[in-house]
Amino acid sequence: DGGITQSPKYLFRKEGQNVTLSCEQNLNHDAMYWYRQDPGQGLRLIYYSQIVNDFQKGDIAEGYSVSREKKESFPLTVTSAQKNPTAFYLCASSIEVGGSNQPQHFGDGTRLSIL
Amino acid sequence: GNSVTQMEGPVTLSEEAFLTINCTYTATGYPSLFWYVQYPGEGLQLLLKATKADDKGSNKGFEATYRKETTSFHLEKGSVQVSDSAVYFCALSVYLYNQGGKLIFGQGTELSVKP
Repeated sequence: DGGITQSPKYLFRKEGQNVTLSCEQNLNHDAMYWYRQDPGQGLRLIYYSQIVNDFQKGDIAEGYSVSREKKESFPLTVTSAQKNPTAFYLCASSIEVGGSNQPQHFGDGTRLSIL
Repeated sequence: GNSVTQMEGPVTLSEEAFLTINCTYTATGYPSLFWYVQYPGEGLQLLLKATKADDKGSNKGFEATYRKETTSFHLEKGSVQVSDSAVYFCALSVYLYNQGGKLIFGQGTELSVKP
């Protein structure tokens, strides 16, 4: 079955440590996204990638970094510069045909906590 | 700018009650509109969508109509079940240069259905 796989499901970060969240999709989608979800809030866009080797900052990119070396993969690194990283992180993908009517498909998320 | 406003939760209903979750939006251009559902500990699943004015999206007994004149996309279901308990997100998508089809979410409405 096609879908988006995020790992790990739970992740703990120590002070001053960088951690990387994995996101893999086998939907052959061009576009991939990272969102952050805090309790009782909607999703906020961290980074976005339309094609391989290209990505753009979203609304809350500070303290995060990404790469897009393969179409299937879009890992997110939460750096030590992100002072409040505790949140639920969601990866999504969509067929990118230059329009806005294609839905995004989501993974099951990674919950990141501070030790 | 672009934004989505949903009615605040939690919404608590008895099984077989009628459900309405209000959603209004502001947008430049011609957005597509979506409802997503999130079950506890999971990612978001697309529930339904509408891509132009007067379109009605429907799925699993849920319906929403794209009303341009009132800038609304209210979610309705005639008879809810306990299994419908989840958080519901209204979202719009507009095509932005360099960000593709960016999704903008409301804050989510938690629905709890009691037997």
